[in-house]
Amino acid sequence: EAGVAQSPRYKIIEKRQSVAFWCNPISGHATLYWYQQILGQGPKLLIQFQNNGVVDDSQLPKDRFSAERLKGVDSTLKIQPAKLEDSAVYLCASSFGLTNTGELFFGEGSRLTVL
Amino acid sequence: GDSVTQMEGPVTLSEEAFLTINCTYTATGYPSLFWYVQYPGEGLQLLLKATKADDKGSNKGFEATYRKETTSFHLEKGSVQVSDSAVYFCALSDPGGFQKLVFGTGTRLLVSP
Repeated sequence: EAGVAQSPRYKIIEKRQSVAFWCNPISGHATLYWYQQILGQGPKLLIQFQNNGVVDDSQLPKDRFSAERLKGVDSTLKIQPAKLEDSAVYLCASSFGLTNTGELFFGEGSRLTVL
Repeated sequence: GDSVTQMEGPVTLSEEAFLTINCTYTATGYPSLFWYVQYPGEGLQLLLKATKADDKGSNKGFEATYRKETTSFHLEKGSVQVSDSAVYFCALSDPGGFQKLVFGTGTRLLVSP
């Protein structure tokens, strides 16, 4: 079974530029998550989708971050314009649905460096 | 809000040593508790979990017991191997939330031969 796919794995941009990350979850997983992991910190949830609807985006900086999951499958996270403090690893995860089993399946992450 | 506190690393051990990584939590209600592991070059993966007080989660020789009275979920292994070198994250899930995980900062374990 294929895992969660993310791209690109690495991205270096200058501040005020834009960047987009792509995620393809495990087939059949209805719930998709984007987490931000800053060096030395634990992952922090940015946004959670159930199919193509947003369940939680309370910690998404909406003035610069946006995310979509138009067909309820793959998803894109965009940052525009980027700031230095956005340097982090962006993790995508998926799960079967909204049950409290806690088993999320994570991709390898996309590492962003903002100069 | 809900939070998880882990011991800082790195934890450096010799092979076959006993491992403990401390984890305490703050939450309203009764969360489910998890340990995730991140091996070098790989994504986070679930190691073990416990969903109610006094439950013991176990996997690959690792164990953790949900202690409601001390709000703790310490990870233990009796004899570590070099292959256990990784970053370990403690996490909780609000039972009223939609499987949203709150993670600790992670503890890096380095095991030498």
